Amino acid sequence: QTVVTQEPSFSVSPGGTVTLTCGLTSGSVSTTHFPSWHQQTPGQAPRTLIYNTNIRSSGVPDRFSGSILGNKAALTITGAQADDESDYHCVFYMGSGLWVFGGGTKLTVL
Amino acid sequence: QLQLQESGPGLVKPSETLSLTCTVSGDSISTSSHYWDWIRQPPGKGLEWIGTISYSGTTYYNPSLKSRVTISADTSKNQFSLRLSSVTAADMAVYYCVRHTSSSGNFNWGQGTLVPVSS
Repeated sequence: QTVVTQEPSFSVSPGGTVTLTCGLTSGSVSTTHFPSWHQQTPGQAPRTLIYNTNIRSSGVPDRFSGSILGNKAALTITGAQADDESDYHCVFYMGSGLWVFGGGTKLTVL
Repeated sequence: QLQLQESGPGLVKPSETLSLTCTVSGDSISTSSHYWDWIRQPPGKGLEWIGTISYSGTTYYNPSLKSRVTISADTSKNQFSLRLSSVTAADMAVYYCVRHTSSSGNFNWGQGTLVPVSS
């Protein structure tokens, strides 16, 4: 069974740039997986930041960007701010109506 | 504006069936190419996709939960529902109802509801 992998934690300095990744234990990520990224702060529901690899949801600042880097999906935050400190979840479409989430990355801004 | 609101009992006992309903406003669950999902998150853990019902009533389930899950829709009430049988403590989680559209990972999330499992 294919598992979606994410870094468990990451830290970035205010104003810095960080790239979070989301991969597969078997095979490479492609646009046909419709990679999406969801931001979640404690006690809140997730919200979609990026979908279909690189499309920003309405109202999402342009410091957030998505891409495919090598064989993984990537979320880059350029000019990180304190309120970007959150959990970031990726999810892939695996075909036949099935979706699989990664374990999430806890991002610290300090 | 789309709104999704989960509702259900506040507590479920082990071995019983968890039942939740999502009431949708601002969209019709029969709208072509719209898909309606249940996703859960145990305390302190990551998100898990449970399953989906399509605008036409087709269902898709997480293979790890398939034997215990049923998702259904009531178009007259613009609601869709989740039933999870034979629950254990491992099923305690915040349950979210979500909408996505065809060929898109753009999820619209409900606020979620915590379902404790305890005798």
